[in-house]
Amino acid sequence: AIQMTQSPSSLSASVGDRVTITCRASQGIRNDLGWYQQKPGKAPKLLIYAASTLQSGVPSRFSGRGSGTDFTLTISSLQPEDFATYYCLQDFNYPRTFGQGTKVEIK
Amino acid sequence: QVQLVQSGSELKKPGASVKVSCKASGYSFGHNAMNWVRQAPGQGLEWMGWINTNSGNPTYAQGFTGRFVFSLDTSVSTAYLEISSLEAEDTAVYYCAREDNLSGTSVDLFDYWGQGTLVTVSS
Repeated sequence: AIQMTQSPSSLSASVGDRVTITCRASQGIRNDLGWYQQKPGKAPKLLIYAASTLQSGVPSRFSGRGSGTDFTLTISSLQPEDFATYYCLQDFNYPRTFGQGTKVEIK
Repeated sequence: QVQLVQSGSELKKPGASVKVSCKASGYSFGHNAMNWVRQAPGQGLEWMGWINTNSGNPTYAQGFTGRFVFSLDTSVSTAYLEISSLEAEDTAVYYCAREDNLSGTSVDLFDYWGQGTLVTVSS
């Protein structure tokens, strides 16, 4: 199975900060990667698919980059509603595998 | 609008069984695969597998074979997850997630999720 390694596992940031989360795949996955946001007690929400395509309705401050094994999710200016846990998910092959998550907390 | 509505929380004793439902609406049920994802308390997301909503053929991730069964009732656009011989370690929130595939591409994404069903296993 492809292992997805996210970093950092948590971070503290202030409103207005630029935040970058990294996801590394244990083998090349083309651009078959999505990013999901999960708030406490809620279901995950799709933010980005195909590594860099913004899901409809998602604010443009979210962006994704990468191909092959290294991917990033960037929030250009952190807003109060962005404090959550973020997961990457590879859809290159089966079994699908998630990263372990990055919790974004208020500084 | 697309909705996935899951059944309510369950409290079960070890050794019992539970069946979680995921009722879909707002789209053609057989057009999209359905995935199941587990989240243990305070832990991350774990992909359990998926079911082809056309053929009913399930695929299970390692660690989810034997006691876990995915099924469908297409007449009511509902997917089910049944877990037998429950153990304390099965305590988790279980999510269904619709998979969409962008036509002509290799892109798959989980675009709609159920609200989650908490299964608690305790004596």
